[in-house]
Amino acid sequence: EVQLVQSGAEVKKPGESLRISCQGSAYFFPNYWITWVRQMPGRGLEWMGTIDPSDAYSTYSPSFQGHVTISADKSISTAYLQWSSLKASDTAMYYCVRSMATYYYGMDVWGQGTTVTVSS
Amino acid sequence: DIQMTQSPSSVSASAGDRVTITCRASQDISSWLAWYQQKPGKAPKLLIYAASSLQSGVPSRFSGSGSGTDFTLSISSLQPEDFATYYCQQANSFPYTFGQGTKLEIQ
Repeated sequence: EVQLVQSGAEVKKPGESLRISCQGSAYFFPNYWITWVRQMPGRGLEWMGTIDPSDAYSTYSPSFQGHVTISADKSISTAYLQWSSLKASDTAMYYCVRSMATYYYGMDVWGQGTTVTVSS
Repeated sequence: DIQMTQSPSSVSASAGDRVTITCRASQDISSWLAWYQQKPGKAPKLLIYAASSLQSGVPSRFSGSGSGTDFTLSISSLQPEDFATYYCQQANSFPYTFGQGTKLEIQ
C-alpha cells in the first residue's frame, strides 16, 4: 500500500527549533513531489511549499518563505519540514502529501498529519 | 499569488439532494484545478483533478466542471458520508493555493 507516514506530535516552546518528517513507502519516491500543507485549528488548508526529491528543488509560498525549510533525502524516501525558531502561531496540524512530478494529477496520497503545539 | 474563492462558505442539505459548490480563480488557470474532501480529524482526500477527472475510487455521484476562472463541484445525490468540508486548489502556478473551504452540513 502506498503510504506517507509522518512523525509524531510535538510540543515545543517559542524560539525552539523543530524538524518533522514524512516517509514514503511502496512507490518510487523521486517520481513524486512532496508538498507540506498547514491547517491551523478550526481553519482551512494552506499550501506551504513543495520539493522535488529527485533534485531537491523546492519552492515556497511567500507566506512561509524564510520561516520554514523543506528538504528531502531520497535515499531514505523521507521529506522534512523544519523551523529554526518556532512561534506560538506555528501551532497547527501539518500534512505532507505527494503529487506526480511529470503531470499534475492532484495530490493523491496524504500523510496522517503531525500536530505541532508551540506554547510557553 | 492566485486567489481562490469558494461559495458558499457553508451549505445545508439533506440526503438525496443535489449540491453544487463553486470556485473562482483570480486569473485564468485553464483546467489546473483539484477538489478535496475533508472530514473532521482526518486528512483531506482527493476527489477531482484537472477540473473534471474523477480520482480512482471516488463515487460517480461526484463531478467537476469548468475551465479558465470558474469551476463547480457537484454531488448528485448526497449520501450521509458526504457531509464534510470541500476545498478547491489551483495548480496553474506556485504557490498552489486553496480556496477557503465549503462546509456541507446536514439540514
